[in-house]
Amino acid sequence: AQSVAQPEDQVNVAEGNPLTVKCTYSVSGNPYLFWYVQYPNRGLQFLLKYITGDNLVKGSYGFEAEFNKSQTSFHLKKPSALVSDSALYFCAVSPNGGATNKLIFGTGTLLAVQP
Amino acid sequence: DSGVTQTPKHLITATGQRVTLRCSPRSGDLSVYWYQQSLDQGLQFLIQYYNGEERAKGNILERFSAQQFPDLHSELNLSSLELGDSALYFCASSSRPGLADEQYFGPGTRLTVT
Repeated sequence: AQSVAQPEDQVNVAEGNPLTVKCTYSVSGNPYLFWYVQYPNRGLQFLLKYITGDNLVKGSYGFEAEFNKSQTSFHLKKPSALVSDSALYFCAVSPNGGATNKLIFGTGTLLAVQP
Repeated sequence: DSGVTQTPKHLITATGQRVTLRCSPRSGDLSVYWYQQSLDQGLQFLIQYYNGEERAKGNILERFSAQQFPDLHSELNLSSLELGDSALYFCASSSRPGLADEQYFGPGTRLTVT
């Protein structure tokens, strides 16, 4: 069965410091991997995805993620955090191919950026 | 604004009742997905439709059903409601199924069952 793990419920970082939000996955075959962000009382917003190719994926708002097949990880990173980045971040995996691209989500990581 | 609309924003109802949640996908998107977000279960995929046809089913209870109409809007029907059905229900849309297109999420419908 496919699954996603986000080992940290919360990540605290000071504004201007680099941030990392961790994600590991378990899938059969090659995964499609996604990061979404949820602001309070809002729906989820797409940040970036990995399908194939370059292991470093760049996305919206200066975020990037590194796909590591040997460690089955897809960590989200940003070189310099902003207070406005504070939100709930979800990693997700989608079945590779087939008739559906339903998303299987991790439990979410709350990012708190202190000024 | 993702372009996906959901109505109503909030819904408060009693146990045993039936409700209908409505979703309009982004213009041009043929695929609609329903997700449930709760503190207990996190974000769970419920069901997907593509151009009017059911495409995939997830952890959707038998008391729940959905459909996608010819104009591509979708409705999620929840019946015999229980307290545990209280959650945020999201609709998302994408243009093509099975090709890892990103999904665009609506603002959600918050259902409270009392």
